[in-house]
Amino acid sequence: GAVVSQHPSRVICKSGTSVKIECRSLDFQATTMFWYRQFPKQSLMLMATSNEGSKATYEQGVEKDKFLINHASLTLSTLTVTSAHPEDSSFYICSALPGTGNQPQHFGDGTRLSIL
Amino acid sequence: SQKIEQNSEALNIQEGKTATLTCNYTNYSPAYLQWYRQDPGRGPVFLLLIRENEKEKRKERLKVTFDTTLKQSLFHITASQPADSATYLCAVHNNAGNMLTFGGGTRLMVKP
Repeated sequence: GAVVSQHPSRVICKSGTSVKIECRSLDFQATTMFWYRQFPKQSLMLMATSNEGSKATYEQGVEKDKFLINHASLTLSTLTVTSAHPEDSSFYICSALPGTGNQPQHFGDGTRLSIL
Repeated sequence: SQKIEQNSEALNIQEGKTATLTCNYTNYSPAYLQWYRQDPGRGPVFLLLIRENEKEKRKERLKVTFDTTLKQSLFHITASQPADSATYLCAVHNNAGNMLTFGGGTRLMVKP
């Protein structure tokens, strides 16, 4: 089956640090990848849609300068949380879409980000 | 915009019974509806996809129904097992079919 690897699984760092999270599709090419944020006992909230070779599309209320997304290849997208603060602490999950539209998304196992 | 409503209260059932989870959407009828399973600290795992012209879909002990009149999908797990305990998420596509909107999920607890 389609496998998505997300790294790191957990990050604990000081306020003001920038953190990069990688999302890789291991056995398929993903034209589109998605980044979600999930708070405890809540559902996934889409942050941005990442398309290979073009700028990411951010959802309303998500600061693009705060959450930098780079989709450099068909198998890799990165999310960088710049100058992270405690309120950025959350569970970040990526997913990848093989092909186009109306297909299941394949999710990574998430990154638990804790900013002290 | 589309809103997806799932029962936020946990569902507790006895092993062997059938679990039924509900997903209601408020706006347009999506062409596709999906169900995912999420375990604590893990990403969601795809379970089933059902199209608007399909009333029912099955996969092993899982069954999904899709009623566009009621704007509702039901997710059933028959002969439930403790290993089925998890949060189950309903998701629908946008009109372009390239983005998902998720419900809040329902936590299922199957007791031995």
